[in-house]
Amino acid sequence: KQEVTQIPAALSVPEGENLVLNCSFTDSAIYNLQWFRQDPGKGLTSLLLIQSSQREQTSGRLNASLDKSSGRSTLYIAASQPGDSATYLCAVHLEELVFGKGTKLTVNP
Amino acid sequence: GAVVSQHPSWVICKSGTSVKIECRSLDFQATTMFWYRQFPKQSLMLMATSNEGSKATYEQGVEKDKFLINHASLTLSTLTVTSAHPEDSSFYICSAIRPTNEKLFFGSGTQLSVL
Repeated sequence: KQEVTQIPAALSVPEGENLVLNCSFTDSAIYNLQWFRQDPGKGLTSLLLIQSSQREQTSGRLNASLDKSSGRSTLYIAASQPGDSATYLCAVHLEELVFGKGTKLTVNP
Repeated sequence: GAVVSQHPSWVICKSGTSVKIECRSLDFQATTMFWYRQFPKQSLMLMATSNEGSKATYEQGVEKDKFLINHASLTLSTLTVTSAHPEDSSFYICSAIRPTNEKLFFGSGTQLSVL
């Protein structure tokens, strides 16, 4: 059974710092991996989608990588801003969509 | 065990029929639930926010008359795809916020195939 783990569970950084969020999964047979952000009380906002054949995707200050063989993905956030404060979730999709528990990011002004 | 139950897991139906998907929070009362869908090779996208006792809030581009959401109790939200067509074939998933810690829990998803 697929399991998705996100480390760390929480992260607090000063504004402007570059940071990396980690996601690992146990079964490398996936269709794709997605990164989302969740703001308090709100639904998920899709950030990046990496197909199983891809190794990375970029959007603005965000870069996500995927290493299927090792079962890992990272989300890199450059020049963090207070508005980046949210919970970030990764999810892998095969027969079903399996989510990690998320990393709560706080960017301090 | 699962704290959010979604049913059915998969459904195949004929074009023109309506399909109802249920999402239940099992051990907490959820005033807010969310419905998402994911087309093949695309990202999971929020469709609507379901609020207990009031009308759902739909995201831009989602037809509220086609995707009927009912959140009549604190533990149950339903999504009805009315007059389904092949282009509605997708993976639908719900989530619910546990009020005590604001954590988000997900159902197992429903794969809808419209013939």
